[in-house]
Amino acid sequence: GEKVEQHESTLSVREGDSAVINCTYTDTASSYFPWYKQEAGKSLHFVIDIRSNVDRKQSQRLIVLLDKKAKRFSLHITATQPEDSAIYFCAANEMDSNYQLIWGSGTKLIIKP
Amino acid sequence: EAAVTQSPRSKVAVTGGKVTLSCHQTNNHDYMYWYRQDTGHGLRLIHYSYVADSTEKGDIPDGYKASRPSQENFSLILELASLSQTAVYFCASSDADSTEVFFGKGTRLTVV
Repeated sequence: GEKVEQHESTLSVREGDSAVINCTYTDTASSYFPWYKQEAGKSLHFVIDIRSNVDRKQSQRLIVLLDKKAKRFSLHITATQPEDSAIYFCAANEMDSNYQLIWGSGTKLIIKP
Repeated sequence: EAAVTQSPRSKVAVTGGKVTLSCHQTNNHDYMYWYRQDTGHGLRLIHYSYVADSTEKGDIPDGYKASRPSQENFSLILELASLSQTAVYFCASSDADSTEVFFGKGTRLTVV
């Protein structure tokens, strides 16, 4: 079945710099790739997604890139702010299990002043 | 706004005891999910359901049962709680696969 690997377990960047979180997946049939954010002590909430018919999507300071050949997608956060500090989870849908989401292990993003 | 409510928010259970975690959604969503979160493992799917009175096994169903008596309610049952089931459990809902998933606030379960 699908496996989603999130490569950075922790990422520390200076406020104002950009942060990049990378994920890879194994199922070539995956077509949907969302990102979720979990702030300290809170639940997860959706931040941005991308579907396989495009290779780039932007929402304000968030950019998602999808490289289907490499089976890799990434979340870019530009001009980082303290409130960006959180754990970010990537996910991909899996055709074999009725397109359920398979989740990465999470990246803890720390924004340093 | 979409709402998924879990109860209890935290629980301490004894080994071998029965634990029931409840979830209620007001989103009118067809899909509901139970996930487990352990440090370093992200989210792992335990059970899910896409219609009332039916449940499906996720990736780690062993030791867990689920019940979906109505579209709004989805329970996770640990018949014989074990130490290894200490974790944070999240319930979630979505209106179809591959769309935004709405999460509850989580239940911190400690088995002693």
